[in-house]
Amino acid sequence: GQQVQQSPASLVLQEGENAELQCNFSSTATRLQWFYQRPGGSLVSLLYNPSGTKHTGRLTSTTVTKERRSSLHISSSQTTDSGTYFCAMELQVVGQLTFGRGTRLQVYA
Amino acid sequence: EAAVTQSPRNKVTVTGGNVTLSCRQTNSHNYMYWYRQDTGHGLRLIHYSYGAGNLQIGDVPDGYKATRTTQEDFFLLLELASPSQTSLYFCASSDSGGKRNTLYFGAGTRLSVL
Repeated sequence: GQQVQQSPASLVLQEGENAELQCNFSSTATRLQWFYQRPGGSLVSLLYNPSGTKHTGRLTSTTVTKERRSSLHISSSQTTDSGTYFCAMELQVVGQLTFGRGTRLQVYA
Repeated sequence: EAAVTQSPRNKVTVTGGNVTLSCRQTNSHNYMYWYRQDTGHGLRLIHYSYGAGNLQIGDVPDGYKATRTTQEDFFLLLELASPSQTSLYFCASSDSGGKRNTLYFGAGTRLSVL
């Protein structure tokens, strides 16, 4: 089965609403991080959060390793937040990062 | 700022053709990766390397070879390209000893196999 599951698969919001993205994984994970991909673009790292809670700007990530889950909260969403968000982590093999299938976020004005 | 450069950005070839995708990083990173991205699958790891001359197999290695010639350069080779290899390919690098251990991605190579 899929080792990294992201939910929801897609999300549509009105500008100003908050977004909550989830990532669940099947085994002990390290080096967990969140990435963003603009439509047609490359991936950029948003947050490196192997455990606990991290903030940057309007983004907050909480990772509970014991429960094998991580979340990404986007507050006061903007149209420029539209794109696909991925979580990725090192599962069983050192150096091998596994990605989820992503959450596609669409924010309209 | 970390830099990963891929070439070419777009490539069209025919079934059975020979293709080499190039990646260069100027970050002095140890790890380099090749991923493919397909709708419905997210990113899947093809091969990766933790140093010059080293090669590790990822999750979807069939039909691909890779070679890490230097610390900076990592190549992906498709010796008998098939239509199933039509995809968007990303190269990435990371520093195994770095504080954040994050990945830095190239801009991607879109490959079409006709």
